[in-house]
Amino acid sequence: AQSVTQLDSHVSVSEGTPVLLRCNYSSSYSPSLFWYVQHPNKGLQLLLKYTSAATLVKGINGFEAEFKKSETSFHLTKPSAHMSDAAEYFCVVSDRNSGNTGKLIFGQGTTLQVKP
Amino acid sequence: KAGVTQTPRYLIKTRGQQVTLSCSPISGHRSVSWYQQTPGQGLQFLFEYFSETQRNKGNFPGRFSGRQFSNSRSEMNVSTLELGDSALYLCASSSPSTGGRETQYFGPGTRLLVL
Repeated sequence: AQSVTQLDSHVSVSEGTPVLLRCNYSSSYSPSLFWYVQHPNKGLQLLLKYTSAATLVKGINGFEAEFKKSETSFHLTKPSAHMSDAAEYFCVVSDRNSGNTGKLIFGQGTTLQVKP
Repeated sequence: KAGVTQTPRYLIKTRGQQVTLSCSPISGHRSVSWYQQTPGQGLQFLFEYFSETQRNKGNFPGRFSGRQFSNSRSEMNVSTLELGDSALYLCASSSPSTGGRETQYFGPGTRLLVL
């Protein structure tokens, strides 16, 4: 079965410092991996996705993630945090066991706090 | 293009009642998936519809049901509401592609409170 584990439930950084949100995945197939962000009382916004093309994926708002098959990781990074980055971040894998259908499996989420 | 829309945005019901939530996908998207988000269980997959057919279902009781119309709009229904059904219900739409790698785009959600 496919799964994702977000290694930190809460990350706190100062504005202007780098952000690292860690995610490990488990998959029997070549996975599709995503990062979504959720601001308070909002829906989910796609940050970036990996679908077996380049292993370094660039997303919106300066975020990027690197797919490392040997480490089964898909960590999200940003060089310099902004106050507006404070939100909940979800690492997500597409469940291809279901036969190419639209079931996403979510990590438990990481709350990013950005201090001024 | 307009994004995924969900109505209503907020809903208060009492135990034992039933509720219907609506989702309009992005124009041209034929797949609609539903998710439940709670503080305790996180985000969990409810079901997915494609071309008016349920294509996949999560581990929820039969009180949770859904359907999709010919214009791809979808509704989900929860009967005999329980306190534990209080949650944010998110709808996502996607455009079919090969290999199951379609990206899902989420609506703002419907927040349901069961009293």
